[in-house]
Amino acid sequence: NAGVTQTPKFRILKIGQSMTLQCTQDMNHNYMYWYRQDPGMGLKLIYYSVGAGITDKGEVPNGYNVSRSTTEDFPLRLELAAPSQTSVYFCATGQGVGTEAFFGQGTRLTVV
Amino acid sequence: EDQVTQSPEALRLQEGESSSLNCSYTVSGLRGLFWYRQDPGKGPEFLFTLYSAGEEKEKERLKATLTKKESFLHITAPKPEDSATYLCAVQAQSGGSNYKLTFGKGTLLTVNP
Repeated sequence: NAGVTQTPKFRILKIGQSMTLQCTQDMNHNYMYWYRQDPGMGLKLIYYSVGAGITDKGEVPNGYNVSRSTTEDFPLRLELAAPSQTSVYFCATGQGVGTEAFFGQGTRLTVV
Repeated sequence: EDQVTQSPEALRLQEGESSSLNCSYTVSGLRGLFWYRQDPGKGPEFLFTLYSAGEEKEKERLKATLTKKESFLHITAPKPEDSATYLCAVQAQSGGSNYKLTFGKGTLLTVNP
């Protein structure tokens, strides 16, 4: 089992460009999350999904979009990249409330 | 709003020198408190879940405890391989935030040989 797989691991974007961060899980978990982690800050929730076809905003959703067409995949879309989106992005999955989340290895994104 | 405060921000220990990390929290009814370990360039790795005051969990040199206001991660006779950032997170019992984990900023632990 690979667990949670994120691609790419690193990416440099120019201001105004768009990209999609991929996240795939083979744990058959209904809950999936996207977090961003900035230096000296805690992980902040961007978007989450409780199942295929259901998504909702977290704490910091501006500038991002998500979709959840299957249980396994939860891509994060950045439109019109800005320097403020330079961060490390983590995808996570879980079985639901009261249970732990399992994280991928992260995507380090730099917007220049 | 749920809040998690971890202290100290950084801790440097000698190998074998036991200590504790603190996680203070404010949440509208605690469903669970989670401890994670994060190595540089990696995603957080799950360590423990605690659900109610008085509960304790152990794993090798680590022991997590929980009260109504805070949790401690006790590290006994640490080794250099215990060096990492330790993250604490809470999940609320009800309301609009019961789906997510609210994280603290973490404690960077360095264990010198």
